[in-house]
Amino acid sequence: GAGVSQSPSNKVTEKGKDVELRCDPISGHTALYWYRQRLGQGLEFLIYFQGNSAPDKSGLPSDRFSAERTGESVSTLTIQRTQQEDSAVYLCASSPRSTVPSGELFFGEGSRLTVL
Amino acid sequence: AQSVTQLGSHVSVSEGALVLLRCNYSSSVPPYLFWYVQYPNQGLQLLLKYTSAATLVKGINGFEAEFKKSETSFHLTKPSAHMSDAAEYFCAVRRGGTASKLTFGTGTRLQVTL
Repeated sequence: GAGVSQSPSNKVTEKGKDVELRCDPISGHTALYWYRQRLGQGLEFLIYFQGNSAPDKSGLPSDRFSAERTGESVSTLTIQRTQQEDSAVYLCASSPRSTVPSGELFFGEGSRLTVL
Repeated sequence: AQSVTQLGSHVSVSEGALVLLRCNYSSSVPPYLFWYVQYPNQGLQLLLKYTSAATLVKGINGFEAEFKKSETSFHLTKPSAHMSDAAEYFCAVRRGGTASKLTFGTGTRLQVTL
């Protein structure tokens, strides 16, 4: 596609439920990133994929969070047993060449998660 | 570990006035530095980036930033603010030699008044 696509754009769930957030990166981009943006705060790194592997998952806040990427394209971020503090906008970004440090990230518009 | 500090979570300027958004970085190796802008209800968009080719970097919408190693700074400026510049601005750093995550600052919200 033309840009990074994320779905759903909005998700309201009840505390304790599981949610899945999907990211479809720009075609051909080998690197994919997940960030979290809580209301009024900056971007918090969650996980980075290079191809299908995740060399850096240091930002995942707990074992309730997991992510996978298949076929060097779509990625899914799963949050199990959601808590109210998980409420945030989850941003996905991709980058065309994972070996270029100067490479910029291209961001999707995010998935807004509200946990009641 | 590399990090960035953005001084001032909120900055307000009059239309036509100079915009100055501050960013200081901490990195043990030469960094790659980025400025992103986030307009209301939109994703982040790259304004400009420093990749060691030139210390003064020009970006979109009339913004520019100067890399000053002696001050470990990469402040964002625009000579004349426009109402459409109202947005959240994020400075970010990536350690040179790697292609891993960008580390973002906490952001500065720019308000432009008449």
